[in-house]
Amino acid sequence: ILNVEQSPQSLHVQEGDSTNFTCSFPSSNFYALHWYRWETAKSPEALFVMTLNGDEKKKGRISATLNTKEGYSYLYIKGSQPEDSATYLCASQEYGNKLVFGAGTILRVKS
Amino acid sequence: DTAVSQTPKYLVTQMGNDKSIKCEQNLGHDTMYWYKQDSKKFLKIMFSYNNKELIINETVPNRFSPKSPDKAHLNLHINSLELGDSAVYFCASSPPHRQVHTEAFFGQGTRLTVV
Repeated sequence: ILNVEQSPQSLHVQEGDSTNFTCSFPSSNFYALHWYRWETAKSPEALFVMTLNGDEKKKGRISATLNTKEGYSYLYIKGSQPEDSATYLCASQEYGNKLVFGAGTILRVKS
Repeated sequence: DTAVSQTPKYLVTQMGNDKSIKCEQNLGHDTMYWYKQDSKKFLKIMFSYNNKELIINETVPNRFSPKSPDKAHLNLHINSLELGDSAVYFCASSPPHRQVHTEAFFGQGTRLTVV
């Protein structure tokens, strides 16, 4: 059973601050690492899927990196805005499509 | 058009009843899942089907039975509902794992309340 851990559990920042979260996962039997953004009362939406060690992906002000050898991924948000407030989930994927989710990091951005 | 749709969105029922939650995806994906959001807000996988075939069956009570009539549908039937079954259940689908981008697409969730 995979154990995916995210930190911090929650984060409160001011508008304009840059922030980052961590996702750690077992590096054995690894296939892909997913990041999802989950707003209250909505369904999780995919941000990134990364597979290769050293992968870096970017979407607007949000970017992510992946280290499969040591089993961690970082998600960065540059210049946080109130609309970035959400829960950010990471999930580690085994071959065969099983996604195991972390508990998420709750981000609240104050204007 | 909703890519992954679940019905109903809310379900309130009494202990001991049998209920079903339906899920349909119009994305042409081969793989579908059921996740349960537990009391600590974790998303935990329950079942996964690939082309109507069960490939993941986590440790859930056998009162929970998934049914996949075709690869676009994965329904969840729950017998003899218990108070502890109250949770939000999410359906999801994803393309075949051999494709590069295999992010999962989630339904809106079904909030089940057992009273």
